[in-house]
Amino acid sequence: AQSVAQPEDQVNVAEGNPLTVKCTYSVSGNPYLFWYVQYPNRGLQFLLKYITGDNLVKGSYGFEAEFNKSQTSFHLKKPSALVSDSALYFCAVRDAFGRTGANNLFFGTGTRLTVIP
Amino acid sequence: GAGVSQTPSNKVTEKGKYVELRCDPISGHTALYWYRQSLGQGPEFLIYFQGTGAADDSGLPNDRFFAVRPEGSVSTLKIQRTERGDSAVYLCASSPGLALTDTQYFGPGTRLTVL
Repeated sequence: AQSVAQPEDQVNVAEGNPLTVKCTYSVSGNPYLFWYVQYPNRGLQFLLKYITGDNLVKGSYGFEAEFNKSQTSFHLKKPSALVSDSALYFCAVRDAFGRTGANNLFFGTGTRLTVIP
Repeated sequence: GAGVSQTPSNKVTEKGKYVELRCDPISGHTALYWYRQSLGQGPEFLIYFQGTGAADDSGLPNDRFFAVRPEGSVSTLKIQRTERGDSAVYLCASSPGLALTDTQYFGPGTRLTVL
């Protein structure tokens, strides 16, 4: 079975400081991992994904994420936070060897990031 | 190019009524997904299509929910005899194909409120 945990409901960070939004996962096979961001009254926007290869993945708007297989984590990071980064962030997983035909994403419950000016 | 579009953006209905929610995917995307997002939760899978056929409908909560994609493009999610518990944001996504590596691109959602 697949599962995703985002242990922090809320993360506050000062503008200009580095930010980290945590995500851990559980799958039966190899994971495909995704990060999405959701602004108020808007759908989810794709940020980045890990499929294979380099453990550090770079994505949109200066975000990056580090895949750590031993810790089953895929934390989202940004070196310098902007006020405009304030939004709801979702981690999602697909299991490469999951249930036959299972193609959907399995999402965490989300982390609300607030960047304080 | 144009992204995924969904109509209406908001729908208010009364308990017991029938509703239809529409999704127009990115042109050329063969895979289309429906998710439901309740307040304070992440999106939960409902159904997905490859072309015209429903490849996996295991996420539909009960037989009041049904979705179609008759021409392999636009999809309609249909909910019969709505209940207050159906209130949520319904999200549609599309992807180029069904490869596990394909990215799903989401629409803005339809907020359904059942009174």
